[in-house]
Amino acid sequence: DGGITQSPKYLFRKEGQNVTLSCEQNLNHDAMYWYRQDPGQGLRLIYYSQIVNDFQKGDIAEGYSVSREKKESFPLTVTSAQKNPTAFYLCASSPRSTSGGNEQFFGPGTRLTVL
Amino acid sequence: GEDVEQSLFLSVREGDSSVINCTYTDSSSTYLYWYKQEPGAGLQLLTYIFSNMDMKQDQRLTVLLNKKDKHLSLRIADTQTGDSAIYFCAESIDGTLTFGKGTMLLVSP
Repeated sequence: DGGITQSPKYLFRKEGQNVTLSCEQNLNHDAMYWYRQDPGQGLRLIYYSQIVNDFQKGDIAEGYSVSREKKESFPLTVTSAQKNPTAFYLCASSPRSTSGGNEQFFGPGTRLTVL
Repeated sequence: GEDVEQSLFLSVREGDSSVINCTYTDSSSTYLYWYKQEPGAGLQLLTYIFSNMDMKQDQRLTVLLNKKDKHLSLRIADTQTGDSAIYFCAESIDGTLTFGKGTMLLVSP
């Protein structure tokens, strides 16, 4: 089955610890994205990558880091510098487009709770 | 910067039509999208419209685009209880999507 997987679905960490969220896709998509979702806030873009070994900051990149060593994988690390890390994190991917479209397909999300 | 606005809540009865509205501010948007999110899940792409179109119909879904007013709407015909979810509109600019805050649709029997 083709798709985007995120693991784990629920994650608990103590304050001050770094934590890495996994995102894998087998859709052969070039671009991948990380969003954060808080109640009443919609989705906010953290980081995105349009090709391997390259990524750009989104609107709320502070306290987060990413890597894109393989086309299929785009892990997100939530560092201890992130002031309010408890949230629902969504990963997405999209194919290369020549027409200006940006049809993104989403994973099931990881709910991170920092205690 | 870009900003996408949606009303926060809509309640309808089963069998009625639902209309969810969205306004955006960036006239250079090429594509506009509608996504659905059920509780605790990721977003599911419902439909999209290219900016040079006025309307797109896909089974029970009709998208209307008024580019002059920067207004987008999603009409769901014969709304079912399974349509209860949060609906997001999004605009595509420079390789990224900007999302509205979502409209929660509640369908009562």
